Amino acid sequence: DVKVTQSSRYLVKRTGEKVFLECVQDMDHENMFWYRQDPGLGLRLIYFSYDVKMKEKGDIPEGYSVSREKKERFSLILESASTNQTSMYLCASRNPGLGDNQPQHFGDGTRLSIL
Amino acid sequence: SQQGEEDPQALSIQEGENATMNCSYKTSINNLQWYRQNSGRGLVHLILIRSNEREKHSGRLRVTLDTSKKSSSLLITASRAADTASYFCATAGQGAQKLVFGQGTRLTINP
Repeated sequence: DVKVTQSSRYLVKRTGEKVFLECVQDMDHENMFWYRQDPGLGLRLIYFSYDVKMKEKGDIPEGYSVSREKKERFSLILESASTNQTSMYLCASRNPGLGDNQPQHFGDGTRLSIL
Repeated sequence: SQQGEEDPQALSIQEGENATMNCSYKTSINNLQWYRQNSGRGLVHLILIRSNEREKHSGRLRVTLDTSKKSSSLLITASRAADTASYFCATAGQGAQKLVFGQGTRLTINP
């Protein structure tokens, strides 16, 4: 089974801090994704990465950056945290090498609160 | 951008009954996927149906896809308390690497 591990289940930070959310997958997947999930808005894509050192903006990249130096790890960075970034953050990975019809595999999420 | 709309937003039924959730989308798709999310957890993939398929089964799950109406339905038969969760449809376009999620249906199974 694919395992996607997010470093923290719960995180509390202060406004203006630089925040790092880490995600690691153990199945050598090329694709990795960061979403945020908010009530009434569903899941929205922040950034995704096709492969190592490759990244592409999703629907809501403002205020975020990402890093993918190794295949198994995809980091989401909040450059200067703000209260409107309080949310549930979900990481996912996918193996495109098996064809188009492959699902995404999700971690358990990080519930981030910015005070 | 949110493509999918799910209906109903919330559904409460008795254990043993069948549950049906619907999903509509706007643009052409490569495939459509259904995911389950237990409270406070990540999403778990349930079933994927390709654009050239009309119906697919997996255990107690049955998914239909009507590309002419741009809609899909998820049927859970003989529901159990453990099926209580939120259910999301997600569509993959050409290239199929990105998914666009609906807002989900919150299903409650009452014992």
